[in-house]
Amino acid sequence: AQKITQTQPGMFVQEKEAVTLDCTYDTSDPSYGLFWYKQPSSGEMIFLIYQGSYDQQNATEGRYSLNFQKARKSANLVISASQLGDSAMYFCAGGDTSYGKLTFGQGTILTVHP
Amino acid sequence: GAVVSQHPSRVICKSGTSVKIECRSLDFQATTMFWYRQFPKKSLMLMATSNEGSKATYEQGVEKDKFLINHASLTLSTLTVTSAHPEDSSFYICSAPTANTEAFFGQGTRLTVV
Repeated sequence: AQKITQTQPGMFVQEKEAVTLDCTYDTSDPSYGLFWYKQPSSGEMIFLIYQGSYDQQNATEGRYSLNFQKARKSANLVISASQLGDSAMYFCAGGDTSYGKLTFGQGTILTVHP
Repeated sequence: GAVVSQHPSRVICKSGTSVKIECRSLDFQATTMFWYRQFPKKSLMLMATSNEGSKATYEQGVEKDKFLINHASLTLSTLTVTSAHPEDSSFYICSAPTANTEAFFGQGTRLTVV
């Protein structure tokens, strides 16, 4: 079983600046995946980025990058050039890569100021 | 990309009645789907794993008789909240894993029991 921890209940960032959302994980599975999802006030879960435990390089998707530090068991999300539309709840999640069953962190509410 | 459709998006029902929520994978087959529950500004908590053609697997503490899950086909899973009470009011969301390990989420259902 996985445990995902997000220690930042809320974060604030100025528009156009970068922000890092923290996530640590704990698992005994040798193979796992780490995900970040964005949840706006509408409730939908928007997939942002994925990192596999065996991936050599940090994942990158547009303005999103994942700072994966396996030894520290951390998978922080970096959002560059923040936009007002980035204001939302962000969830880190982990799971068995072959099954899709996810364990979610507590979430971080990101507010982007103009 | 893969699409998961969930209906209804919002429902208000009277206490004591039952409500059915549908989760459909539109362009792929899903032998497994997951149902989550989310309270306001909280994390997603896995309720159960829906298995096509067999019984659902419920997480500890989830009442099987209260939350009936049926996975009758490779593209449809339903969650029925039976004899709903105000404490069942919540946001319910389904997901389905794909061959690419990513889990796609439905739009979610906001249930209010009055």
